Amino acid sequence: DAGITQSPRYKITETGRQVTLMCHQTWSHSYMFWYRQDLGHGLRLIYYSAAADITDKGEVPDGYVVSRSKTENFPLTLESATRSQTSVYFCASSEYLLSGANVLTFGAGSRLTVL
Amino acid sequence: AQSVAQPEDQVNVAEGNPLTVKCTYSVSGNPYLFWYVQYPNRGLQFLLKYITGDNLVKGSYGFEAEFNKSQTSFHLKKPSALVSDSALYFCAVRDPSGGSYIPTFGRGTSLIVHP
Repeated sequence: DAGITQSPRYKITETGRQVTLMCHQTWSHSYMFWYRQDLGHGLRLIYYSAAADITDKGEVPDGYVVSRSKTENFPLTLESATRSQTSVYFCASSEYLLSGANVLTFGAGSRLTVL
Repeated sequence: AQSVAQPEDQVNVAEGNPLTVKCTYSVSGNPYLFWYVQYPNRGLQFLLKYITGDNLVKGSYGFEAEFNKSQTSFHLKKPSALVSDSALYFCAVRDPSGGSYIPTFGRGTSLIVHP
């Protein structure tokens, strides 16, 4: 099915464990993003990518690692999870437009709880 | 630098009444402006955007937004609210003169439509 899918949708883990959230899109969009959503903070950008093998830090990158070996995949790894990383994580993608008026398409989200 | 503000955390309106969700922005050049909606347990969905041209932009589900350059605002409106419009609404801005393809999101406004 075409679209952007995130997995797992729900995850409970313990402090100190490594967690990877997966994101897959079927449109071959150039741009991909990871956001976290927390009450009172709205959406905060963690990492983004303009193309395969090109990634950059966003507003809140500490404690996270990303990779993009293939255009369609953009996994987010929490190397040693902390309770402050309990959040809802959204992956998004957008195509490149010469006008710059690109619209983001979001996945359904991954709700992560760190105990 | 680009920024956006949504001054209301919550907006309450009765079904059938007009609704307005406010958004103000700050950019150095001419802005690209976007509205997204998030229904419970879902990712954000694109509603409408302003790039250039007519200041009144029409989007999905009967929503529209008016770009006002002098007031640096881009308020979301609907003539007659439905209970099903209850959701979280995000305004986003991008400054194309800044060279970045990344939008900045507001903190979101919760719209509650009462029957």
